Amino acid sequence: DQQVKQNSPSLSVQEGRISILNCDYTNSMFDYFLWYKKYPAEGPTFLISISSIKDKNEDGRFTVFLNKSAKHLSLHIVPSQPGDSAVYFCAASAIGGATNKLIFGTGTLLAVQP
Amino acid sequence: DSGVTQTPKHLITATGQRVTLRCSPRSGDLSVYWYQQSLDQGLQFLIQYYNGEERAKGNILERFSAQQFPDLHSELNLSSLELGDSALYFCASSVNGAGNSPLHFGNGTRLTVT
Repeated sequence: DQQVKQNSPSLSVQEGRISILNCDYTNSMFDYFLWYKKYPAEGPTFLISISSIKDKNEDGRFTVFLNKSAKHLSLHIVPSQPGDSAVYFCAASAIGGATNKLIFGTGTLLAVQP
Repeated sequence: DSGVTQTPKHLITATGQRVTLRCSPRSGDLSVYWYQQSLDQGLQFLIQYYNGEERAKGNILERFSAQQFPDLHSELNLSSLELGDSALYFCASSVNGAGNSPLHFGNGTRLTVT
């Protein structure tokens, strides 16, 4: 049972435009959501997070939006840069539990074309 | 650099063998997590330790075991290896074992079972 889903395996965007990566989840107990970026031969790098008490969190070019009723979140990158080309993973956890183990989606490969 | 160190980077071994993967968490982090990433898959949570104690268990096979030592480094032991165990194994750490603190990942150990 895939509790966190990223339905787009890949996305191609022109440099300078907006990249929108989407993520859906099924477990209503999730209340903390994160995005990670992963380059080849490296581990995932934390990008940005959002708790369920918010619907938006912004950090520079990166903004995460959370729609709890739809169990959907998205990551917006504006403007996109070639260095943003990587695999992006969405992850979720339930803060109130005794563990903050993260459940990951399968990732979306973003290619930013110069 | 996430501050999480994993050794070795690559490991090639034969079916039926046993291997040990090692992880040193970031300075100050008490919790260690192990994840497995198979080809074209997301990161699957295996197990979490907090300050030497097992905190949470995921889809970890009985042939696999882990522990966290008093100096907080962790080892993941994989035994009776099968071809399907070939994967990237990531270690991550966080300040505490619960709450909204992101996980920080090492660069992984690539295990190839032949």
